[in-house]
Amino acid sequence: DGGITQSPKYLFRKEGQNVTLSCEQNLNHDAMYWYRQDPGQGLRLIYYSQIVNDFQKGDIAEGYSVSREKKESFPLTVTSAQKNPTAFYLCASRAPGQGGNEQFFGPGTRLTVL
Amino acid sequence: AQTVTQSQPEMSVQEAETVTLSCTYDTSESDYYLFWYKQPPSRQMILVIRQEAYKQQNATENRFSVNFQKAAKSFSLKISDSQLGDAAMYFCASTGANSKLTFGKGITLSVRP
Repeated sequence: DGGITQSPKYLFRKEGQNVTLSCEQNLNHDAMYWYRQDPGQGLRLIYYSQIVNDFQKGDIAEGYSVSREKKESFPLTVTSAQKNPTAFYLCASRAPGQGGNEQFFGPGTRLTVL
Repeated sequence: AQTVTQSQPEMSVQEAETVTLSCTYDTSESDYYLFWYKQPPSRQMILVIRQEAYKQQNATENRFSVNFQKAAKSFSLKISDSQLGDAAMYFCASTGANSKLTFGKGITLSVRP
């Protein structure tokens, strides 16, 4: 089955530690996205990548980093510089073409900083 | 910059009734798309319906339809014959440059049996 997987589903981290969230897709999509969801805030774009080896900052990139070495994978690292990392993180991908192509979402990762 | 506004945080509807969720947006793009996504308690985001801004005809998907008023920059979602499974958070979104999505803050819809 084609889709997007995110792991782990729940992640706990101590303050001061970096942590990497996994996102994998087998939809053959070029574009991939990372969003952060907080209660009452909707989804906010962290980083996006339209092609392998290229990515751009979104609206709230500070304290985060990404890589796009393979088409299928777009991992997100939450660094210790992120002041308030506890949130629900969603990864998405989109087929190439016009902007009307929908973004497909993974099941999300809930990150809690202890 | 794009903005999407969902001013109602919560709504409730009786099962089998009709409910309309409101959304307004602002964009400088001449060509854009609008979406409604559903997020049930599982938190899996699901596309409900999409509208191409250059099409005047309102999009329809089974029990879901939109009222797209381009001049007013309004994009409301109508759910007919509401079902218990429609209970979820609904997000309105619009595309911008590089097909990035900008989301509203969402509205929580509850369905009363």
